[in-house]
Amino acid sequence: QSVLTQPPSVSGAPGQRVIISCTGSRSNIGAGYDVHWYQQLPGTVPKLLIYDNINRPSGVPDRFSGSKSGSSASLAISGLQADDEADYYCQSYDTSLSGSVFGGGTKLTVL
Amino acid sequence: QLQLQESGPGLVKSSETLSLTCTVSGGSISSSDYYWGWGWIRQPPGKGLEWIGSVSNSGRISYNPSLKSRVTISVDTSKNQFSLMLNSVTAADTAVYYCARQSVYSSGSLNWLDPWGQGTVVTVSS
Repeated sequence: QSVLTQPPSVSGAPGQRVIISCTGSRSNIGAGYDVHWYQQLPGTVPKLLIYDNINRPSGVPDRFSGSKSGSSASLAISGLQADDEADYYCQSYDTSLSGSVFGGGTKLTVL
Repeated sequence: QLQLQESGPGLVKSSETLSLTCTVSGGSISSSDYYWGWGWIRQPPGKGLEWIGSVSNSGRISYNPSLKSRVTISVDTSKNQFSLMLNSVTAADTAVYYCARQSVYSSGSLNWLDPWGQGTVVTVSS
């Protein structure tokens, strides 16, 4: 059971927009700690996709965007492409655990 | 360009100690910049990411409470490396183990991880 809750899977057709949610609690996201997102393509190393809720590292397309509200955060992917098929993980800090926490991951399928 | 590389045995016997090293190149692990740290993360086969622990440049070490009794993270600045030791391993510790640089806030909270090493597969055998 992950501290941060993500839907196990989402899907969308090419060109569509999908949103992946990440729900936390008052000891992590709700306490004001930032949320970060990672993309893990099949068989590869996780890659930082969004940091500090809304920021994209250099090289990440602006089709990827992040937001945060209350105890939840979301990753939106617009203009879906076949090579967006991957697992996506959210991450934050939990003050009760005094450490980093990950969501369980969401598998994105492009139909 | 900062790069990290994990190394260590790929096979560990049950009840023994798993030892991994992460070598950092392209930058110094002993930076006085307290806004950085170094972390270990693992991923069991077919499962999600689990944070194991991190050491900040300030010297503060944090562990996942579920692993805390078995984990030790240390830094060797002379070799530009940091290490992970996990004792009393079982089959549940079989995973890909990653090391990564971690952003640290002034409050001490641990933030995003980037870059990551390529990962090393560790199998615990009985």
